[in-house]
Amino acid sequence: GAGVSQSPSNKVTEKGKDVELRCDPISGHTALYWYRQSLGQGLEFLIYFQGNSAPDKSGLPSDRFSAERTGGSVSTLTIQRTQQEDSAVYLCASSLADMNTQYFGPGTRLTVL
Amino acid sequence: AQSVTQPDIHITVSEGASLELRCNYSYGATPYLFWYVQSPGQGLQLLLKYFSGDTLVQGIKGFEAEFKRSQSSFNLRKPSVHWSDAAEYFCAVGAKEYGNKLVFGAGTILRVKS
Repeated sequence: GAGVSQSPSNKVTEKGKDVELRCDPISGHTALYWYRQSLGQGLEFLIYFQGNSAPDKSGLPSDRFSAERTGGSVSTLTIQRTQQEDSAVYLCASSLADMNTQYFGPGTRLTVL
Repeated sequence: AQSVTQPDIHITVSEGASLELRCNYSYGATPYLFWYVQSPGQGLQLLLKYFSGDTLVQGIKGFEAEFKRSQSSFNLRKPSVHWSDAAEYFCAVGAKEYGNKLVFGAGTILRVKS
């Protein structure tokens, strides 16, 4: 079946602009996760959704970052007023239930000029 | 704090040779353990996982890993490496007590010599 999909695959933006990154989880997966992969910091957890609620937002680096999930499916990660340090690959994962295997999408590479 | 250590940043092995990638963790709860592989420009692909039970787990592509609680380790092994195994490998740890998020090691880049 279809895996986790993310769009766009690449995004280049100017410093100060807002960006939206989209994640389509595997159908039927109730849990959804966002991670960030950067050269300096490795793979870091950002936020976790169970259904449409986010019980763990502890990894969001600043209030410029927000995320939502609608219909228990698609999720959008929004970064406002982007900074150069936001440049990274943003990975989305989904799992069938809590603490189950997480399946990752191909990621969105964000470059902030 | 939870942490995962992959002590080897780079490893080079000859094709056909055996491989062992090390992973140690520090966790305050009973962990769930994973190995993922990432090829350049790709997402993470699950190789294998350990939740409970038999401490030797088999995964895809001929990989296996052994959970050793006394050593807080979950090392990945393969008896004979193929050139297509060249990639970056990540060990990850999670636990329900820490809210389901995965904590990743820094990764080990595997290069295969022909």
